[in-house]
Amino acid sequence: DQQVKQNSPSLSVQEGRISILNCDYTNSMFDYFLWYKKYPAEGPTFLISISSIKDKNEDGRFTVFLNKSAKHLSLHIVPSQPGDSAVYFCAASGNSGTYKYIFGTGTRLKVLA
Amino acid sequence: DAGVTQSPTHLIKTRGQQVTLRCSPISGHKSVSWYQQVLGQGPQFIFQYYEKEERGRGNFPDRFSARQFPNYSSELNVNALLLGDSALYLCASSSTSGGETQYFGPGTRLLVL
Repeated sequence: DQQVKQNSPSLSVQEGRISILNCDYTNSMFDYFLWYKKYPAEGPTFLISISSIKDKNEDGRFTVFLNKSAKHLSLHIVPSQPGDSAVYFCAASGNSGTYKYIFGTGTRLKVLA
Repeated sequence: DAGVTQSPTHLIKTRGQQVTLRCSPISGHKSVSWYQQVLGQGPQFIFQYYEKEERGRGNFPDRFSARQFPNYSSELNVNALLLGDSALYLCASSSTSGGETQYFGPGTRLLVL
């Protein structure tokens, strides 16, 4: 049972344009959501997070939007840069006592120069 | 400040052998979590430890075990290795066991032949 889904395995965007990565979840108990970026041969790097009490959080070029009624979150990167090319994972956690993260399968973003 | 460190970076074992992976958390972090990432998937939760106690366990067989030491470093042990245990093993640390952001190390890539 895949509780966190990233339905687009890959995305290509021109440099300078907006990248939008999407993530859907099924468990309404999730209350904390994160995005990580992963380069080959490295561990995931934390990008941005959002609590379920908010619907938007910004950090520089990165903005995460949360739509609780649709159980959907998205990551916007503006403007996209070639260095943003990586695999992006969304993750969710809830108050289950362990605060384990449930990850999606990732979206490979390629920013074209 | 040093991030999460893991050793070794790469490891090759044969079926039936045992392996120990090591992790040192970010200074001041008391919680360590272990994840397994197989090719094409997102990381899957194995264990969380906080203050040397197991706080959570994922859906992994008893061949997987872990412990946390007084200095908050941690070891993951896998016995009776199977081919399917080949994966990237990630360690993440956070300051508490609560809903705080987890920061990942570079991982140990294990290949079982």
